[in-house]
Amino acid sequence: QLQLQESGSGLVKPSQTLSLTCAVSGDSISGSGYSWSWIRQSPGKGLEWLGYVYHLGSTYYNPSLQSRLTISIDRSQNELSLKLNSVTAADTAMYYCVRGPTVTRGWYFDLWGRGTLVTVSS
Amino acid sequence: QSALTQPASVSGSPGQSITISCTGTTTDIGSYNYVSWYQQHPGKVPKLMIYDVTNRPSGVSNRFSGSKSGNTASLTISGLQAEDEADYYCSSFASSSSHVVFGGGTKLTVL
Repeated sequence: QLQLQESGSGLVKPSQTLSLTCAVSGDSISGSGYSWSWIRQSPGKGLEWLGYVYHLGSTYYNPSLQSRLTISIDRSQNELSLKLNSVTAADTAMYYCVRGPTVTRGWYFDLWGRGTLVTVSS
Repeated sequence: QSALTQPASVSGSPGQSITISCTGTTTDIGSYNYVSWYQQHPGKVPKLMIYDVTNRPSGVSNRFSGSKSGNTASLTISGLQAEDEADYYCSSFASSSSHVVFGGGTKLTVL
């Protein structure tokens, strides 16, 4: 059974870099044919798609975050990673690792990790 | 401000039907049948309820249905139950550089 588990820095100081990883178990990220996304949700707010990486490595980012965001795949660890630099309090949110969207499999998000809460504060 | 527009809240009584709208543009909902809907209970992870406008994943109740007309997609829940009380989000493929857009979410209250 496919499972996604996020981990990383729960507290980040303003202007520093937020780093998260998502361990994928039950399937191979690179061999799956799927894209893998990060989606976040600020407290009391809606869902915000951050970006996705296709299993072959190509990436697409939310234009509002593109200058600060890097999403990548570590095939040796079967992990997805996120790095967001120059963070501010506005980046405080629950961050979800999610499977999808994939043009060849369906443009939707069908499997979600439990999420990891990141707080930006000095 | 979200790219897709949803009502902030809707409500209905048990057994009734409700519809949540999701309005986009010709660069997203209006041109592609890639609309999906997600249910999120408080403190829980979002769950896929509808994909490709009308399709239900395995295990989702047939009380949930989706449709689309022009630039507006809709989620209809029939035979409302207390457990349906949650936030609902729509999403669509977008031909703009963002590729993915979400609605701001709709809080469903079962009276």
